[in-house]
Amino acid sequence: NAGVTQTPKFQVLKTGQSMTLQCAQDMNHNSMYWYRQDPGMGLRLIYYSASEGTTDKGEVPNGYNVSRLNKREFSLRLESAAPSQTSVYFCASVKALSTDTQYFGPGTRLTVL
Amino acid sequence: AQSVTQLDSQVPVFEEAPVELRCNYSSSVSVYLFWYVQYPNQGLQLLLKYLSGSTLVKGINGFEAEFNKSQTSFHLRKPSVHISDTAEYFCAVSDQPSGTYKYIFGTGTRLKVLA
Repeated sequence: NAGVTQTPKFQVLKTGQSMTLQCAQDMNHNSMYWYRQDPGMGLRLIYYSASEGTTDKGEVPNGYNVSRLNKREFSLRLESAAPSQTSVYFCASVKALSTDTQYFGPGTRLTVL
Repeated sequence: AQSVTQLDSQVPVFEEAPVELRCNYSSSVSVYLFWYVQYPNQGLQLLLKYLSGSTLVKGINGFEAEFNKSQTSFHLRKPSVHISDTAEYFCAVSDQPSGTYKYIFGTGTRLKVLA
């Protein structure tokens, strides 16, 4: 049982390049989330998927797109990376309800030059 | 919209001393509250959560938190800290009343335990 896995762990992009961050969970959870973590700002929600087939914007969705590929996988795409997207990205999942514990992946450290 | 405030960005404390990390939330309805810990270069993991019932919640690693509805607070405490408690701590509230599945996090408190 690997929990929540994220790839890649590190990435350096040039401004304007695109990339997709991958996230997968093996706990049969319904809801999945993408956050970014910046110093002094805590975790900010980018997008979330309450259940397979649905996605919704969070607090900071601009410049990102997501795909809930199936129940296990939730990817985050940067179409044209900008230096302001330099951050640590975390994926998380929850079994079903907002009373449940969120399980987090190890994070992806992204630098945009 | 709900919000979470962690007023202390950094808290230094000596080993074996007690510590309190403060968290206040804004909500006029029932809330579910969480404390997560993040060790260096890792993801977050749950310390404890309050859903209902007893206002004193015990978590892992000797931490506990008290829900105070009148003060809209959920402060985290530990009577005696260890060097290994050095980490960043996040308070979070779930946005259940709005019918979504969102969680709102505070900005975090960096606990540094000194020898």
